Order: sequence, then C-alpha cells, then structure tokens
Amino acid sequence: EPEVTQTPSHQVTQMGQEVILRCVPISNHLYFYWYRQILGQKVEFLVSFYNNEISEKSEIFDDQFSVERPDGSNFTLKIRSTKLEDSAMYFCASNPTVGAGEQYFGPGTRLTVT
Amino acid sequence: AQSVTQPDIHITVSEGASLELRCNYSYGATPYLFWYVQSPGQGLQLLLKYFSGDTLVQGIKGFEAEFKRSQSSFNLRKPSVHWSDAAEYFCAVGPNQAGTALIFGKGTTLSVSS
Repeated sequence: EPEVTQTPSHQVTQMGQEVILRCVPISNHLYFYWYRQILGQKVEFLVSFYNNEISEKSEIFDDQFSVERPDGSNFTLKIRSTKLEDSAMYFCASNPTVGAGEQYFGPGTRLTVT
Repeated sequence: AQSVTQPDIHITVSEGASLELRCNYSYGATPYLFWYVQSPGQGLQLLLKYFSGDTLVQGIKGFEAEFKRSQSSFNLRKPSVHWSDAAEYFCAVGPNQAGTALIFGKGTTLSVSS
C-alpha cells in the first residue's frame, strides 16, 4: 500500500539555523499538508498546498516558514531561523482530489531546536 | 469556533474489556469525522471515517464509531481491547474539501493492563 514518507526521522539543530524537512507524498495525490505536534499537545495545521501554491495556512505559518514542491515527488517545509518553540513533531500529509477530506499522514520528523 | 474535544486525557482498560473513547465537536457545516491512532514513535494512522450514510462506521483493527448529530459526538468503541491497542487516539473533524485543514482533538492516551 502506498504511503507518505518523511526524512529525516529526527533532526537536531541550533537556534537560528535553517532546517528543511522533506516529504514524499503518495504519488497520485495532489493536495499536500504540513502539521505539527508540540510534545503533549494536539496536532495543529500549518499549511496546505495545491498546484504549486499555498491553499490555506494557519496563523502559525508565519514568514519564517515556507513550502516548496521542488520536483515531481518531494514536498518540503523550510524554517528559516529556528526558535526553541519550533521543537515539535512535524507531519506531512496528502490526499487526492477525489474523496477529499481523508488525509494520509507520514511518520513525522521530530525537530529538536537547542 | 470549530473545535474538537476529547474529554478523557488518559484511560486504562483491562485487556479483553470493552472501550469507548469520547469525542465531541463544534463545526459550522456538515462535519466529516475521523479517528486516527498514533503508536509511540509512529505517525498517524487512520482508523475510520464518517462522511455520510450509516451513522455506525466500521474501521480497522476491530474499531467502530457512531456519529450522533444531536449530541455532536463521534465516539470510538471496541468490544474487546488487546494489549497492542495501547496508543494515543485522536479525533478530527474537517470539511469534504481537499486542501482544507483537519482540526484535531488533544488526544486520549489508552493504556491496557493485563
């Protein structure tokens, strides 16, 4: 069964550094998402992406964040200058245009900012 | 405001006993409802979903959930819990529209005692 993959599984970075989290969505899906989960808290929506542009974003997704579909398979989340409070599990998700609403999640990348 | 409430933070159930995890939602439009499970160190796996039709839906791993519009609830049930069911369970709500965020509850941690 096809699945969403994410790399790396764990990233440690120093405050102020840039990080790029990578995702490979399911191949025939066209909508892509990033969510985050701070330890012990709920999963929160960051951004959705379709047809090479942002469809929707939350107030969390400020100018420090950006997303890109650099090629036909990868979907990336960049944090330009990380802060301690960016430490969280970041989940990528995707869904097809048909059967909208059901999102398929990757295993997540745990980002630790020191 | 759109929200999902999972009133129970942590539940412990004996192996073989029945389980019910509660979920209440507040949503302006017709909700599309989901239950996801997250095992330690893993991503979010879809257990079941409700879009329309029969209000009792069956999912994977022997789980079922019942949509009650009058109570704005979508409780998850399992008649006999196995030790491998120990995990965190998230209820989520969203529209039937691709590209739109899912709203998650804070989750319920299930422990299974022998």
